[in-house]
Amino acid sequence: GAGVSQSPRYKVAKRGQDVALRCDPISGHVSLFWYQQALGQGPEFLTYFQNEAQLDKSGLPSDRFFAERPEGSVSTLKIQRTQQEDSAVYLCASSLSSGGVFSGANVLTFGAGSRLTVL
Amino acid sequence: TQLLEQSPQFLSIQEGENLTVYCNSSSVFSSLQWYRQEPGEGPVLLVTVVTGGEVKKLKRLTFQFGDARKDSSLHITAAQPGDTGLYLCAALTTDSWGKLQFGAGTQVVVTP
Repeated sequence: GAGVSQSPRYKVAKRGQDVALRCDPISGHVSLFWYQQALGQGPEFLTYFQNEAQLDKSGLPSDRFFAERPEGSVSTLKIQRTQQEDSAVYLCASSLSSGGVFSGANVLTFGAGSRLTVL
Repeated sequence: TQLLEQSPQFLSIQEGENLTVYCNSSSVFSSLQWYRQEPGEGPVLLVTVVTGGEVKKLKRLTFQFGDARKDSSLHITAAQPGDTGLYLCAALTTDSWGKLQFGAGTQVVVTP
């Protein structure tokens, strides 16, 4: 597609429920990132994929968070047993290349995000 | 914990006025980016600066990267309502190949 697509755009979950958030990156983009943005804050890094390989998951806040990108394209962020502190916007971003992403012409393109509210 | 400190947190000005927002850190960065985020949307890249002392201009926006590559500023001349948004700075640390560190952002509101 023309841009990064995320679904659902809005999700309300009861505390303890599991949720799955989907990201469709731009076709052919090698790198894929997940970020968490709490209200009034900047995005915080969660995890990074290069094709299907998850190369950095240091930002995942707990073992309740799991991300996958099995075929190197679509990615899913899963949150198990949601808690109120998980309420945030979850942003996905992709870029054409790996390494040197922020030099030259490569641009990180963000999706509109999935807003998760845990009651 | 935010590695990048942005100031001010909030700025409200009238159309036609100038404004400057700042992004500061005690760390040295290989490059720094500025994004604008509108409600319900993801951040959109405005500029990347990589050289200490570098100045880039994008129409009415002027971006400067500090000589020591620890800080940056964004100056908007003759602001317009369309400039309203959350301005975020983000940095790639020298020991990271892909992880962007974002500041908390400056919310700018330009009223007609």
